[in-house]
Amino acid sequence: EVQLVESGGGLVQPGGSLRLSCAASGFTFSSYSMNWVRQAPGKGLEWVSYISSSSSTIYYADSVKGRFTISRDNAKNSLYLQMNSLRDEDTAVYYCARVDEEDYYDSSGYYFPFDYWGQGTLVTVSS
Amino acid sequence: EIVLTQSPDFQSVTPKEKVTITCRASQSIGSSLHWYQQKPDQSPKLLIKYASQSISGVPSRFSGSGSGTDFTLTINSLEAEDAAAYYCHQSSSLPQTFGQGTKVEIK
Repeated sequence: EVQLVESGGGLVQPGGSLRLSCAASGFTFSSYSMNWVRQAPGKGLEWVSYISSSSSTIYYADSVKGRFTISRDNAKNSLYLQMNSLRDEDTAVYYCARVDEEDYYDSSGYYFPFDYWGQGTLVTVSS
Repeated sequence: EIVLTQSPDFQSVTPKEKVTITCRASQSIGSSLHWYQQKPDQSPKLLIKYASQSISGVPSRFSGSGSGTDFTLTINSLEAEDAAAYYCHQSSSLPQTFGQGTKVEIK
């Protein structure tokens, strides 16, 4: 059974940092691209970042570029999101999401839909 | 950035009624349009991929159509468990974007 479990959320002051983790199980993690998607309280979904299976291709939304860093450790079946210079508007539930097919060339997974999502971890940025 | 505009924003529907949600893209995205259902306090769930492809385990009352800039999610014979927010999502170009969501309420 595919499972994605996020952790690392919490309350942080504006300008602070937080590192989110997503532990994956039930599939060959090293073969799939992964994404982070966030949802502000009472709002819709916003794509945050993408990383290919080999980590060679990475994309960010403009709203987080230069402040957030996505990474993965295929040996540990884990996905990460390092968030720096946090702002009030970064307050949201952060989900990790798997694409629905294995990468067949680098960055091919960018174009795939998201078939499995974690339960989310809440990040609150407030003084 | 491709903007996805869903309509309506909210719909109150009687069980067994048919529901139609539209998603319009600001430029052509081919068939790279996917639909998700999100129930309160749950993670999104993939309902339809590539505009019209069904997903294993998703009830057959959910269907999708469209291509280019205009897409539709149809729920035939709505059931009480279908109360949720529905989002369209495009993966055609960077950045990926979502529609603003359509909330479906059961009367």
